[in-house]
Amino acid sequence: SQTIHQWPATLVQPVGSPLSLECTVEGTSNPNLYWYRQAAGRGLQLLFYSVGIGQISSEVPQNLSASRPQDRQFILSSKKLLLSDSGFYLCAWTSSYGYTFGSGTRLTVV
Amino acid sequence: GESVGLHLPTLSVQEGDNSIINCAYSNSASDYFIWYKQESGKGPQFIIDIRSNMDKRQGQRVTVLLNKTVKHLSLQIAATQPGDSAVYFCAETPPGTYKYIFGTGTRLKVLA
Repeated sequence: SQTIHQWPATLVQPVGSPLSLECTVEGTSNPNLYWYRQAAGRGLQLLFYSVGIGQISSEVPQNLSASRPQDRQFILSSKKLLLSDSGFYLCAWTSSYGYTFGSGTRLTVV
Repeated sequence: GESVGLHLPTLSVQEGDNSIINCAYSNSASDYFIWYKQESGKGPQFIIDIRSNMDKRQGQRVTVLLNKTVKHLSLQIAATQPGDSAVYFCAETPPGTYKYIFGTGTRLKVLA
């Protein structure tokens, strides 16, 4: 079966520290992968998407970067976190029914 | 830029009543639309979708209506239950892109 894994579930990081969030997909090959961010009580903002290994498209200029080192692995990173990076980060892939989302990572930058 | 917006940020309905959540989209060429449900602290979950060659699609207790003339999408939930309480997002897919554009969401509150 096709599943998507995202970790960690929650993260508290100090301002200026690095970030690495990982997302992996099982049961499919060459998926389109996405990173979204959701601020508290707000909608979903597309950050990055990838249609293949090493192919990253950035939607919003910001303090974050993404990488896709393997077909089913998508990583969201930052060298130095800002307070404004706090939010709920969601990984998704394009399945038969639109997106399938991961369970999300709640990041709090303090 | 392109956007999908929702008319009502919060909707409160009595348990057992029908709910209607509305959405306006901006790209008249968008050819695929999805409604998602997001419960607190969880990722959005697919509810129902509709392609632009249809104007209505029914699921289990849910119906999506598409009016391309006015670029309007709605989600109808029949006999609303407490478990329907969540934030609902609509999303559109412009043709030739890999990305979906989400609205800000509508919070549905079911009153006992």
